[in-house]
Amino acid sequence: GQQVMQIPQYQHVQEGEDFTTYCNSSTTLSNIQWYKQRPGGHPVFLIQLVKSGEVKKQKRLTFQFGEAKKNSSLHITATQTTDVGTYFCAYRDNYGQNFVFGPGTRLSVLP
Amino acid sequence: DTEVTQTPKHLVMGMTNKKSLKCEQHMGHRAMYWYKQKAKKPPELMFVYSYEKLSINESVPSRFSPECPNSSLLNLHLHALQPEDSALYLCASSQPGIGAYEQYFGPGTRLTVT
Repeated sequence: GQQVMQIPQYQHVQEGEDFTTYCNSSTTLSNIQWYKQRPGGHPVFLIQLVKSGEVKKQKRLTFQFGEAKKNSSLHITATQTTDVGTYFCAYRDNYGQNFVFGPGTRLSVLP
Repeated sequence: DTEVTQTPKHLVMGMTNKKSLKCEQHMGHRAMYWYKQKAKKPPELMFVYSYEKLSINESVPSRFSPECPNSSLLNLHLHALQPEDSALYLCASSQPGIGAYEQYFGPGTRLTVT
């Protein structure tokens, strides 16, 4: 099936700095979802994007779906220690049965 | 209620033991999933049930046996596991179908096979 890649694999930032993670696919995706997993926790759904060029905001988080629907980004403005965790992009395949997760970007925030 | 519950939270079992993991949701979701997650890795899909029928089995060894007794419950029966099966086992649920429905994950069962 289709695979998605994420960059960077790890990111260390100082509290207050911005952070961006990218999710890239070699093929067009019908949808993209973002999940956050805190250390020792489970994945928690953040957002889903389905339209070309779509941009959605949640407080300090901005999510974008590329025009070609092959890439997506998550941008966090002014990171806080509560943002620590691994951010996964995922998509639901065209059959609607299978969720495929990217490898994740692990964010650490230094106070 | 947007909660998926899983029991037990932790499980230590020997390679000859038989145990079961349980998952429950009351969101009316008709798709339920079992994932395996190793440390520092993404969740890896094991099984998908859609309308209480097994629809995907991602080449999982037969020592893992899923069961979906009804639309709210999902079990994973474990038998003769290997130490490399030690991992976090996550249950999730969503609406089935082609729409981009999100998944809700349970807290997971952390399994150690000795």
